[in-house]
Amino acid sequence: SQQGEEDPQALSIQEGENATMNCSYKTSINNLQWYRQNSGRGLVHLILIRSNEREKHSGRLRVTLDTSKKSSSLLITASRAADTASYFCATRETSGSRLTFGEGTQLTVNP
Amino acid sequence: GAVVSQHPSRVICKSGTSVKIECRSLDFQATTMFWYRQFPKKSLMLMATSNEGSKATYEQGVEKDKFLINHASLTLSTLTVTSAHPEDSSFYICSARDPSGRTSTDTQYFGPGTRLTVL
Repeated sequence: SQQGEEDPQALSIQEGENATMNCSYKTSINNLQWYRQNSGRGLVHLILIRSNEREKHSGRLRVTLDTSKKSSSLLITASRAADTASYFCATRETSGSRLTFGEGTQLTVNP
Repeated sequence: GAVVSQHPSRVICKSGTSVKIECRSLDFQATTMFWYRQFPKKSLMLMATSNEGSKATYEQGVEKDKFLINHASLTLSTLTVTSAHPEDSSFYICSARDPSGRTSTDTQYFGPGTRLTVL
């Protein structure tokens, strides 16, 4: 079963604002990854954070991981209209090789 | 980064026919590829793990005889939807891990997806 739950399901903001998406999971993980998907397209890998890391940055992206709460957040700063997409978290369990995806957050950035 | 391609990008077929979708890793050898299915505005559901030279491992609830997977080479995996029905209409996405260590050790690279419509 899918273990990732994301909130909000949908987020609409203005250009320049920050967007925060949250992800919760249930099992022990090796790492957590965030992906982006434009409508009708494949997924693009954004960032990976390992279970022993608490925060990671990549450009305008900031990811946090709290393994005690089994949750992660993705922050996109100074959003742009081109950031409009669906964002998925995915966890790599310690026991297996599969990636399990969350339900996703649909982000709309209005110009 | 590594590139994974899928062909075709879109396919429309009649009910009862079979459809083959190809997934290729273009610049690395993938011993393992994954097939996902995605319904509109939904998450990706793992269907099966495709292992080069051996049988695929299917997730619970996925019919092996319905979704045939072949991973005959290190750069190609195929998914064949047999006797397709309208409920098989979906977006099918493959992905592959690059085990070489050349890229991030745990990054999965995704194909652009195949939109299947069964009439």
